[in-house]
Amino acid sequence: QSALTQPASLSRSPGQSITISCTGTSNDVGNYNLVSWYQHHPGKPPKVLIYEDNKRPSGVSNRFSGSKSGNTASLTISGLQAEDEADYYCCSYAGGSTLVFGGGTKLTVL
Amino acid sequence: QVQLVQSGTEVKKPGSSVKVSCKASGGTFRNYAISWVRQVPGQGLEWMGGIIPVFHTPTYAQKFQYSQHFQGRVTISADESTSTAYMELSSLRSDDTAMYYCAKSATMSEPLDSWGQGTLITVSS
Repeated sequence: QSALTQPASLSRSPGQSITISCTGTSNDVGNYNLVSWYQHHPGKPPKVLIYEDNKRPSGVSNRFSGSKSGNTASLTISGLQAEDEADYYCCSYAGGSTLVFGGGTKLTVL
Repeated sequence: QVQLVQSGTEVKKPGSSVKVSCKASGGTFRNYAISWVRQVPGQGLEWMGGIIPVFHTPTYAQKFQYSQHFQGRVTISADESTSTAYMELSSLRSDDTAMYYCAKSATMSEPLDSWGQGTLITVSS
């Protein structure tokens, strides 16, 4: 169960869009339509943004969208705002009732 | 909406054990999964293991699953009568210093949609 691979850090200006990648294997990301994405602000618990690759829970802004191709999932944030500055984590079901997280991406909104 | 409240900060000696609790309110405890996730300072989230509900049984039943990384050192348990899940980590080392979270999902393959506030465990001599 190796961690999924995400870029360590990214930065953009307000109003721009950004796509965060999450690469796994055919045993996790590529084998199930069960990738979720979490936003984590320091000092707070994580919050789910996307589940089942591309579904958004009620109450989550439609500026957040998810997609997947093969073993790589992606989170796109459009119209970046200052409050989007946070750490973002992908998480995939890995079979056998286990989960695996990505290493996390620190997003800076300049 | 399920709310999860965790036990408080702890400081432990290397080699000792720690047991963190996670009390749920709202919903039906036997009907959802609980995962334990930790974050070592400066590192990412890491799934440690969880409780998997077993449905269609006359009495409360549960299964447990663990990350290979923690196999043998972590024990997860639950007390349905108090709607409380527990995570015990043994043979503590300094690199176990971390924030530990519990989180709820409908099943282990569904998103972690409610999280506890986190419990800081510091391992220091």
